[in-house]
Amino acid sequence: GAVVSQHPSRVICKSGTSVKIECRSLDFQATTMFWYRQFPKQSLMLMATSNEGSKATYEQGVEKDKFLINHASLTLSTLTVTSAHPEDSSFYICSVSGQGEDTQYFGPGTRLTVL
Amino acid sequence: AQKVTQAQTEISVVEKEDVTLDCVYETRDTTYYLFWYKQPPSGELVFLIRRNSFDEQNEISGRYSWNFQKSTSSFNFTITASQVVDSAVYFCALRPYNFNKFYFGSGTKLNVKP
Repeated sequence: GAVVSQHPSRVICKSGTSVKIECRSLDFQATTMFWYRQFPKQSLMLMATSNEGSKATYEQGVEKDKFLINHASLTLSTLTVTSAHPEDSSFYICSVSGQGEDTQYFGPGTRLTVL
Repeated sequence: AQKVTQAQTEISVVEKEDVTLDCVYETRDTTYYLFWYKQPPSGELVFLIRRNSFDEQNEISGRYSWNFQKSTSSFNFTITASQVVDSAVYFCALRPYNFNKFYFGSGTKLNVKP
């Protein structure tokens, strides 16, 4: 399977600031990357799907202007939470999938706390 | 519509006991994939198994085994001789064959006590 990293693993920020989370596929050409959000003791909620070089496709109810996703290369995708608020505090997880691949491989997650 | 149900919210067992985690799914697709992932306290989801809908053969990997029953739309996961390190949240997921999107169950938290 693919090795996926996320940076940072934890971030604490003040309300109103923007936070960028990186997702890197270390040994795998990730044609598709996914961003999930997970609340405590809950399942994963898909936020958006991005294909390399294309605009991300957001799930219903996810604000595209608030959660900016960039997938500029086959190894890197970024999620920027703009003007973060306390309700954006959550565990954000990325996953990767390759061309013709049926499995998603997940990163270790980023815990965001907005004060 | 796609749906995955993990009715067991939390299970506690004593080490060395066998434990089965249930997964029931709903789909109108004739071809799909089923998955199990493990999420330990560290948070990272670890891939355990993928099963194609046209392959109902059960699988065993060490202490882990999976029972796929298409007739009952179930894909249950059994851990034999559980260990404390098995303590985690386990997620079952379904992926339609022609659409790269996962539908996750709500997860089952497994507590293995020494």
